[in-house]
Amino acid sequence: AQKVTQAQTEISVVEKEDVTLDCVYETRDTTYYLFWYKQPPSGELVFLIRRNSFDEQNEISGRYSWNFQKSTSSFNFTITASQVVDSAVYFCALSEGTGANNLFFGTGTRLTVIP
Amino acid sequence: DSGVTQTPKHLITATGQRVTLRCSPRSGDLSVYWYQQSLDQGLQFLIQYYNGEERAKGNILERFSAQQFPDLHSELNLSSLELGDSALYFCASSANSRTGLVNEQFFGPGTRLTVL
Repeated sequence: AQKVTQAQTEISVVEKEDVTLDCVYETRDTTYYLFWYKQPPSGELVFLIRRNSFDEQNEISGRYSWNFQKSTSSFNFTITASQVVDSAVYFCALSEGTGANNLFFGTGTRLTVIP
Repeated sequence: DSGVTQTPKHLITATGQRVTLRCSPRSGDLSVYWYQQSLDQGLQFLIQYYNGEERAKGNILERFSAQQFPDLHSELNLSSLELGDSALYFCASSANSRTGLVNEQFFGPGTRLTVL
């Protein structure tokens, strides 16, 4: 069965600090997809990144970077030089390669960046 | 703006009532997904439609139903509402994949349902 664990419920950092959000997943499929979404206080869900299980390259997009490690079933998200606008709930999600393409979400990590 | 629209933004109703939530996917997307976000259950997948056909079902109650119309918009019908149905309901759509790869889903702004 599939499962996504975000053990950090809430994190607070001071502006300009770096912060890493952890995500650990479980799946029996050999082909799967991992995602990160951001939910700001306004409530919408904003897509950040998709990673395929057969592509372990890490990715950097501006202040955001993602570390995918199949050996530890982790897909961690780092924000460098955090800003107040980064304050949001961040969700990690998994979609398996077989069957339905729906997303299984973790419980989310609430990030608060203090000015 | 994701390109996915949902109406209404807010809905307040009473127990036992029936409501309909509407979603229009991004232009060209054939897949529509419905999710429920509540404090106790988190974000849960309800149902998926692809080009008018039901593709997958998740934790959707029998009191809930959905459909996708020929113009690809979708409606989620919730009936015999209970207090516990109060939640944020999201619709999402994704691009069609010719290679079998799973594409990212883009979410609408959600409909906040309050059952009193």
